[in-house]
Amino acid sequence: GAVVSQHPSRVICKSGTSVKIECRSLDFQATTMFWYRQFPKQSLMLMATSNEGSKATYEQGVEKDKFLINHASLTLSTLTVTSAHPEDSSFYICSARVRGAGNSPLHFGNGTRLTVT
Amino acid sequence: AQSVTQLDSQVPVFEEAPVELRCNYSSSVSVYLFWYVQYPNQGLQLLLKYLSGSTLVKSINGFEAEFNKSQTSFHLRKPSVHISDTAEYFCAVSAGAAGNKLTFGGGTRVLVKP
Repeated sequence: GAVVSQHPSRVICKSGTSVKIECRSLDFQATTMFWYRQFPKQSLMLMATSNEGSKATYEQGVEKDKFLINHASLTLSTLTVTSAHPEDSSFYICSARVRGAGNSPLHFGNGTRLTVT
Repeated sequence: AQSVTQLDSQVPVFEEAPVELRCNYSSSVSVYLFWYVQYPNQGLQLLLKYLSGSTLVKSINGFEAEFNKSQTSFHLRKPSVHISDTAEYFCAVSAGAAGNKLTFGGGTRVLVKP
C-alpha cells in the first residue's frame, strides 16, 4: 500500500514552454505533499510544501511564480514549471504524507526527469 | 532548523566486505531519522527509520543503523555487501513528527566492486 505515482517519468521540452508534473497518491489520501528538486550528483532540496485546498508554502529562494503548485484534491498535487529554461533541468520528486498519519514516514514518487533544451 | 551531514560522498567497497556510512545531524527539537536508497534514475526507497524505542534498527536486507543521541549520529552499516547494494544512500531527518518535511544529507555513493 501507500503508493505515490508521478507522471511523466521523463519529459523534454523547449526553452520557454511550460511543463506540468503530476503527483498522485493511489491508495491513500494525502493532505500534504512535498516537492523536491535534485540536481545531478547532488542531494534533494525541498522546494515547497503543498497542502490540499490552500496555497503552497515555498522554501527560501524558490520562485513561486515560476514553480506553480496546485493541490486541488486529497490525491493529486501538480507542479508546473513555467517558462522553463535549461537551468530548470533537474530531477523532481514528490512525497506525500498519509492523511491522519502525521507520525508515519513519507512516501515518495519515482521522480520526473525534466530536460529543457 | 535541522541539518544533516554525510561525511563521505563516495565509498568504494569490495563485494562481501563490510560498509559503514556516516551520518550526523543537528536539531534543536526531537528528530526522527531515516535512511533512503536511490538507484539510478529512480525515486527514493525507505531503507530504515528511527522513530522511537530501540536505538538499533534493522532492515530486511541486512542493513542496520544505530541512533546515538549523545553523538547526534545515525550511522548505517552492513556487514557484507552485494553488487546490488551499489546505489546512492541518503540520511534524512524530520523534526517534530515523522511525517514532517525531510532535510536530507548530501548523499553517499556506494560502489561495490567484485
